Amino acid sequence: GENVEQHPSTLSVQEGDSAVIKCTYSDSASNYFPWYKQELGKGPQLIIDIRSNVGEKKDQRIAVTLNKTAKHFSLHITETQPEDSAVYFCAARDAGKSTFGDGTTLTVKP
Amino acid sequence: NAGVTQTPKFRILKIGQSMTLQCAQDMNHNYMYWYRQDPGMGLKLIYYSVGAGITDKGEVPNGYNVSRSTTEDFPLRLELAAPSQTSVYFCATSGTGTNKETQYFGPGTRLLVL
Repeated sequence: GENVEQHPSTLSVQEGDSAVIKCTYSDSASNYFPWYKQELGKGPQLIIDIRSNVGEKKDQRIAVTLNKTAKHFSLHITETQPEDSAVYFCAARDAGKSTFGDGTTLTVKP
Repeated sequence: NAGVTQTPKFRILKIGQSMTLQCAQDMNHNYMYWYRQDPGMGLKLIYYSVGAGITDKGEVPNGYNVSRSTTEDFPLRLELAAPSQTSVYFCATSGTGTNKETQYFGPGTRLLVL
């Protein structure tokens, strides 16, 4: 089955700096790669996604890049703000099922 | 629209007790999922359903059962609770159309088995 590895497990940045979280996947059949943000005590919420026919996608301060050959994808957050502090999960999806990474706890210091 | 709702929010069970975690959605989505999230870990798929009357096992189905008699509801049953089932349980849905892969999660049920 699919295996997703996510790094780093924790990330601390100063407000205004950029943050990058990386994921690798094993199954070349995976074709959809979402990123979720989970705030304390809540369920994960989709923040951005990318499909296998696209190399990069951007939404304001958030961007995702995908390298299908190397089987890795990354989340980039620019101009970080304290409200970006949360746990971020990547996932790889194929045939109706998603496999999640173990999460990255991002802390943005004011 | 309420989206995805889960009840209860929190429950304490004794070893060997049984309970049903409820999940309901009003988005008319075909796909529904149950995940568990252990501390510091990602989400592990327990069971999923592609429509009413159809269910299938995920990564970690042992100790759980599900049913899907309607599009709206997808209850998760624990028959003999064990301490290893202490976790936070999330229900999720996904639909059809352009964004059919996007999953929408409920707020979770925190379960403690003592």
